[in-house]
Amino acid sequence: EVQLLESGGGLVQPGGSLRLSCTVSGFTFSNYWMTWVRQAPGKGLEWVANIKPDGRETNYVDSGKGRFTISRDNAKNSLYLQMNNLGVEDTAVYYCARDLDAFYDFWRAKPGDWGRGTLVTVSS
Amino acid sequence: QSALTQPASVSGSPGQSISISCTGTSGDVGDYNYVSWYQQHPGKAPKLIIYDVTTRPSGVSNRFSGSRSGNTASLTISGLQTEDEADYYCSSYSASTPLGVFGTGTTVSVL
Repeated sequence: EVQLLESGGGLVQPGGSLRLSCTVSGFTFSNYWMTWVRQAPGKGLEWVANIKPDGRETNYVDSGKGRFTISRDNAKNSLYLQMNNLGVEDTAVYYCARDLDAFYDFWRAKPGDWGRGTLVTVSS
Repeated sequence: QSALTQPASVSGSPGQSISISCTGTSGDVGDYNYVSWYQQHPGKAPKLIIYDVTTRPSGVSNRFSGSRSGNTASLTISGLQTEDEADYYCSSYSASTPLGVFGTGTTVSVL
């Protein structure tokens, strides 16, 4: 059974940092594109970042460039999102998700499995 | 990174059919077969219900179907049931953004 479990969310002050983790099981992690998607309270879904199976390509939402870093450790079956200089606009539930299919060389924007999410609250 | 356009809400009676539109451009919905639909119940993670415009994942009810005409994709729910009350999002590969684009989301109500 495919499982994705996010952790690391919480309350942080504006300007602070958080590192989100996503631990996966039930599939060969190193074969899949992975992504972070967020959802602000009462709002829609927003792509945050994605990363190629080998970690050699990453992409970010414009508002996250220079502040967010997505990474992965294929040996530990784990995905990460380092978030720095957080603002109130970053308050959201952050989901990790994996591509529907393995072995693709490009991101097709169709994640098939999602974690339950972790809440990040940026507030003073 | 503009979002795909969806109606804010759609409603129907049990047993009826409803459709949700998802309008993009020739750089996303219109040119590529990577259009997906997600169902999200309150407090839950999104669930993939349609991918590649028309394909249903295993285990998803055949009451859900997808289609496309030009730059607009559509999700149809037939035989509407109370458990279909949820938010629905489309997404698409985009030639102009490496992340892809989501739709604005549609709330489905079963009257």
